[in-house]
Amino acid sequence: SAVISQKPSRDICQRGTSLTIQCQVDSQVTMMFWYRQQPGQSLTLIATANQGSEATYESGFVIDKFPISRPNLTFSTLTVSNMSPEDSSIYLCSVEKRSYNEQFFGPGTRLTVL
Amino acid sequence: GENVEQHPSTLSVQEGDSAVIKCTYSDSASNYFPWYKQELGKRPQLIIDIRSNVGEKKDQRIAVTLNKTAKHFSLHITETQPEDSAVYFCAAHFGNYQLIWGAGTKLIIKP
Repeated sequence: SAVISQKPSRDICQRGTSLTIQCQVDSQVTMMFWYRQQPGQSLTLIATANQGSEATYESGFVIDKFPISRPNLTFSTLTVSNMSPEDSSIYLCSVEKRSYNEQFFGPGTRLTVL
Repeated sequence: GENVEQHPSTLSVQEGDSAVIKCTYSDSASNYFPWYKQELGKRPQLIIDIRSNVGEKKDQRIAVTLNKTAKHFSLHITETQPEDSAVYFCAAHFGNYQLIWGAGTKLIIKP
């Protein structure tokens, strides 16, 4: 498996502001993913972050709203920009152990936008 | 596009009984099928997975079966216990890295 940490664990923000979520892994991984999970819902993939290249965004998510950095093989950030109450959700990062396809998740960041 | 359907959305079973959750997938090229358990307020945890070259895998009280012809796979939990209460998600691996997720099943174990 992998030990994954996220910061912050939760935050309450005002609309129009931005929040950057950090994801740290205890070992080098190629693939890192950012998900959003609304209460009682399944996981929705926002984007895939590869080190050294631009993130790949899923339909409905754009770089201007969710810029992602991946400066090395153990770290990534997701920024939620110009927030509105609709952005209130849990944001999860995950990593894939490439040789096995298994994905392991961070503890999540619970975001509330007022 | 790729799709994973999961049923039922809620499952209530008596403690000690078995629970079965089923998923179907659309892409016959899928080759990896994990199951995750998510307790309230916690992260999804991988509990078991199966690859397309086997039909069944078992780990203590948990088993997963795969029918490639019918494109469906199932999670079986035997001798259910209160700690099995959670939301369970199936997923299927598409393309080179992406997981497509089912909608989830809320499993309730009645004492």
